[in-house]
Amino acid sequence: QSVLTQPPSASGTPGQRVTISCSGSSSNIGSNYVYWYQQLPGTAPKLLIYRNNQRPSGVPDRFSGSKSGTSASLAISGLRSEDEADYYCAAWDDSLSGGVFGGGTKLTVL
Amino acid sequence: EVQLVESGGGLVQPGGSLRLSCAASGFTVSSNYMSWVRQAPGKGLEWVSVIYSGGSTYYADSVKGRFTISRDNSKNTLYLQMNSLRAEDTAVYYCARGGAEYDSSGYYWYFDLWGRGTLVTVSS
Repeated sequence: QSVLTQPPSASGTPGQRVTISCSGSSSNIGSNYVYWYQQLPGTAPKLLIYRNNQRPSGVPDRFSGSKSGTSASLAISGLRSEDEADYYCAAWDDSLSGGVFGGGTKLTVL
Repeated sequence: EVQLVESGGGLVQPGGSLRLSCAASGFTVSSNYMSWVRQAPGKGLEWVSVIYSGGSTYYADSVKGRFTISRDNSKNTLYLQMNSLRAEDTAVYYCARGGAEYDSSGYYWYFDLWGRGTLVTVSS
């Protein structure tokens, strides 16, 4: 059971906006930065969002991150077939003195 | 080009050992935080170990005492020595640039560059 809770799956149709949630606690999301990673099928993870809502260069502005209290969200607008991937949230946990990943959300583009 | 390339994975019997390598190019390993992250088949990501630029090392509880992270500055290469391997260590092992840093707003724990991974299978 992951310390950060994500829905196992999400789906949307092309052009739609989808959101993926990441629920934590005061010791992780509530007090530290949240990161999001995208893992396309058969490939390594890639940093998608850093420090809650910042995009690395090259990441389309269709991807956005937000954080409120002990939860975070990843939003993908203008959904495309190439967005079909697994998405992971991550944050440092003060109680564990270590970093934790969410269990991952598999996004399907219908 | 900035990249990480892992090698050294393979099939090993329970109780055996394996050493993974991660060759970096385009940046200096010793000036960065470097980590190993693994992913069991069909499962999520699990952080394994980190070595900081100053040389401090840390491990997940699941591998503490069995795995050792190190680096060779002359070869710009990161290593993971894995001993007393168990079936549950079976995973793709990724080398990643990053670790934990802290500022007044909290910790940021991040990996901004990943290798393609190397598969370790522990089975008799």
